[in-house]
Amino acid sequence: TQLLEQSPQFLSIQEGENLTVYCNSSSVFSSLQWYRQEPGEGPVLLVTVVTGGEVKKLKRLTFQFGDARKDSSLHITAAQPGDTGLYLCAGHTGGFKTIFGAGTRLFVKA
Amino acid sequence: DTGVSQDPRHKITKRGQNVTFRCDPISEHNRLYWYRQTLGQGPEFLTYFQNEAQLEKSRLLSDRFSAERPKGSFSTLEIQRTEQGDSAMYLCASSPGLAGGAGELFFGEGSRLTVL
Repeated sequence: TQLLEQSPQFLSIQEGENLTVYCNSSSVFSSLQWYRQEPGEGPVLLVTVVTGGEVKKLKRLTFQFGDARKDSSLHITAAQPGDTGLYLCAGHTGGFKTIFGAGTRLFVKA
Repeated sequence: DTGVSQDPRHKITKRGQNVTFRCDPISEHNRLYWYRQTLGQGPEFLTYFQNEAQLEKSRLLSDRFSAERPKGSFSTLEIQRTEQGDSAMYLCASSPGLAGGAGELFFGEGSRLTVL
């Protein structure tokens, strides 16, 4: 059974702080996605990483795919209240199915 | 707007009633997915269509659940004889389904079901 474990489950920080959230699995993925979801809405795709060791930056967000393509991290620099939301990682094995972690709920206080 | 659309956004029903949700995917996407999400959890896979063919169903999808995608365009998800445990957000997503594609999903805004 493929599982994606995300940590921490919940994070509450002050505006301007940095943070890192983690996504780990014992399975190898052909690609991994990060999504952000706001209450009452569907997840919105942030980034896809494909190559082991790959690093992608999206403004203040830095995403890294582990060398073995089993894990990933999301680092946010100088968090802002607008970053508040549920961050989901999702692994794709190359077939049709994408599995999701339970998410990290981030709250950034002004 | 050319994104994925779902209807209704909210549905409150009494236990035992039937409900149906509709999803209109991005028009050029041939893959369509249904996921279910409960509070504090990530989306859980329910079923997948490649064009009009339903190619996979999760064990989460009991006999009370049925999904269709006639003509490979919009899809419906019907829940018969609803139970309180069916209360959840039902998410529809589509993807281009390109060979060797990266598995990116484009989600609708979801249909929230509350069973009283």
